[in-house]
Amino acid sequence: QLQLQESGPGLVKPSETLSLTCTVSGGSISSNSYFWGWIRQPPGKGLEWVGSFFYSERTYYNPSLKSRVSISVDSSKNQFSLKLSSVTAADTAVYYCARDYGGNFGDYFYYMDVWGKGTTVTVSS
Amino acid sequence: QSALTQPASVSGSPGQSITIPCTGTSSDVGGYNYVSWYQQHPGKAPKLMIYDVSNRPSGVSNRFSGSKSGNTASLTISGLQAGDEADYYCSSYTRTSTRVFGGGTKLTVL
Repeated sequence: QLQLQESGPGLVKPSETLSLTCTVSGGSISSNSYFWGWIRQPPGKGLEWVGSFFYSERTYYNPSLKSRVSISVDSSKNQFSLKLSSVTAADTAVYYCARDYGGNFGDYFYYMDVWGKGTTVTVSS
Repeated sequence: QSALTQPASVSGSPGQSITIPCTGTSSDVGGYNYVSWYQQHPGKAPKLMIYDVSNRPSGVSNRFSGSKSGNTASLTISGLQAGDEADYYCSSYTRTSTRVFGGGTKLTVL
């Protein structure tokens, strides 16, 4: 059974870079049918898509975050990572990683069927 | 990109049916049949309830159904139960190859 687990610092200082890792178990991250993505949820607010990557190293980002975000993959460890630079209090949120079905060629984002439990990141000095 | 539009809250009594609309544009909801719905209980991760507008994943009750007309998708829950009380989010693929979520709807079972 596929499982995703987020990990990383729970506290980040303003202006620094937030770094999180998602470890995938029970399946391979090197699939030609799935994107692997990050979603965040500020306290008391809704879900916001941060970005996703496809195994062929295609990456897609939320336009509102694009200048500060990057997603990378370590296939040898079956992990993918999120980096968000120049953080402010507005980046305080629960961050989820999730698998996003992309069809046979990753042409579209169909649906997110497996989610991690989420990790809380607070931006504060 | 703008979030899809959902009502902030809906409510219903046990056994009743409710519908949650999700309004986008021709660049997202109206342009693709890649609308999905997620249920989120407090403190928990979202759970996929509907995909590709109207399909249910294995294990999801047939009391949950989805549909779409034009730029508006809808989630209907029939035979409301106490356990259905949760936040619900719609999501869609967009023309610019991104994913967008709705603002979320809090369902209260009276």
